[in-house]
Amino acid sequence: GAGVSQSPSNKVTEKGKDVELRCDPISGHTALYWYRQSLGQGLEFLIYFQGNSAPDKSGLPSDRFSAERTGGSVSTLTIQRTQQEDSAVYLCASSLVVTSSTDTQYFGPGTRLTVL
Amino acid sequence: DAKTTQPNSMESNEEEPVHLPCNHSTISGTDYIHWYRQLPSQGPEYVIHGLTSNVNNRMASLAIAEDRKSSTLILHRATLRDAAVYYCILRYGGSQGNLIFGKGTKLSVKP
Repeated sequence: GAGVSQSPSNKVTEKGKDVELRCDPISGHTALYWYRQSLGQGLEFLIYFQGNSAPDKSGLPSDRFSAERTGGSVSTLTIQRTQQEDSAVYLCASSLVVTSSTDTQYFGPGTRLTVL
Repeated sequence: DAKTTQPNSMESNEEEPVHLPCNHSTISGTDYIHWYRQLPSQGPEYVIHGLTSNVNNRMASLAIAEDRKSSTLILHRATLRDAAVYYCILRYGGSQGNLIFGKGTKLSVKP
């Protein structure tokens, strides 16, 4: 079946512009996660949606970052007034979350964001 | 989630077995051991997970020490496609949803 998809695959923007990154999770997966990976750095958690619960935003680095998940499916990560340090690969993942000790997260291919 | 320690890098020859170690001395009784890997320019992918007993699947085997303070991911015959960063992650029932990735082990496979 179809995996997690993300669009665009690459995005180049100018400092100060807003960007939107899209994630389509696997159908039926109730949990959706956003991570980012800066050059040479590890994967950093950003935000987590689980069903109809309030999202866990504890990983968002600043109030310029926000995310929505509409209808329990597609999610959009928005970065306002982009800065050069926002340049990274943004990864989306989804999972069934039967229990968090055993669930498997499925990752998309990522969106490479470059802020000039 | 409890901390894991992995070597920064390892090398292997193609078609030979690879043993990737992970130390987790502060593991609790309900922590599951998960492994993910990240191929170059791709998102991470799940490899295997286990609790106490050794586990096998089509990708790899997971050997868990009797005291559970360490584990080893075994690739039985490394291929060039197995060159990736391998992450060992502990998860328990009360874990927050996101995975916490360390630096992992970068595996290089030589032809």
